[in-house]
Amino acid sequence: DIQMTQSPSSLPASLGDRVTITCRASQDIGNYLRWFQQKPGKSPRLMIYGATNLAAGVPSRFSGSRSGSDYSLTINSLESEDMAIYYCLQHNEYPLTFGSGTKLEIK
Amino acid sequence: QVQLQQSGAELAKPGSSVKISCKASGYTFTSYYISWIKQTTGQGLEYIGYINTGSGGTNYNEKFKGKATLTVDKSSSTAFMQLSSLTPDDSAVYYCARARVDYWGQGVMVTVSS
Repeated sequence: DIQMTQSPSSLPASLGDRVTITCRASQDIGNYLRWFQQKPGKSPRLMIYGATNLAAGVPSRFSGSRSGSDYSLTINSLESEDMAIYYCLQHNEYPLTFGSGTKLEIK
Repeated sequence: QVQLQQSGAELAKPGSSVKISCKASGYTFTSYYISWIKQTTGQGLEYIGYINTGSGGTNYNEKFKGKATLTVDKSSSTAFMQLSSLTPDDSAVYYCARARVDYWGQGVMVTVSS
């Protein structure tokens, strides 16, 4: 199975900050990488697909990038509504595998 | 709009089985697989497998073979997952999702306790 190593597990940040979350794939997954946001008691929401594409309705302060086997989610100018857990997902091969999650919280 | 409506919470005894449902609307049901995902606090998100909603063919994560059985009823645009021989380790929230996980259901909490 492809391992997705996500870091950090916890990220204290202040409103207005720029933050970056990273996932490293253990094998080549091309751009078959998605980012999800999950708030307490809710289902995950697709934020980024194809490693760099913003999903419908997602604010433009969110962006995705790739450098080799490292995939990053960046949030510019953090807002209170962005506090959540973020997960990456590789869907290049089955079984699909998720990162372990990053809890973004107010410092 | 795409919606996946799952059945309600389940409380089950060890050794028993549960069957949860996922009713799709807002798109052509047979054009997309349905995936199933387990979420626990300790293990995070785990992919269980998918069912081809057109053919009924399935693909299971090795870890869940023998535990989960995926079926589909095309006439009602509903996918099902049965979990058998339940143990406390099966206590989790189970989600259905469309295809390679773009839209998710609201999740079903399964609690296994005597």
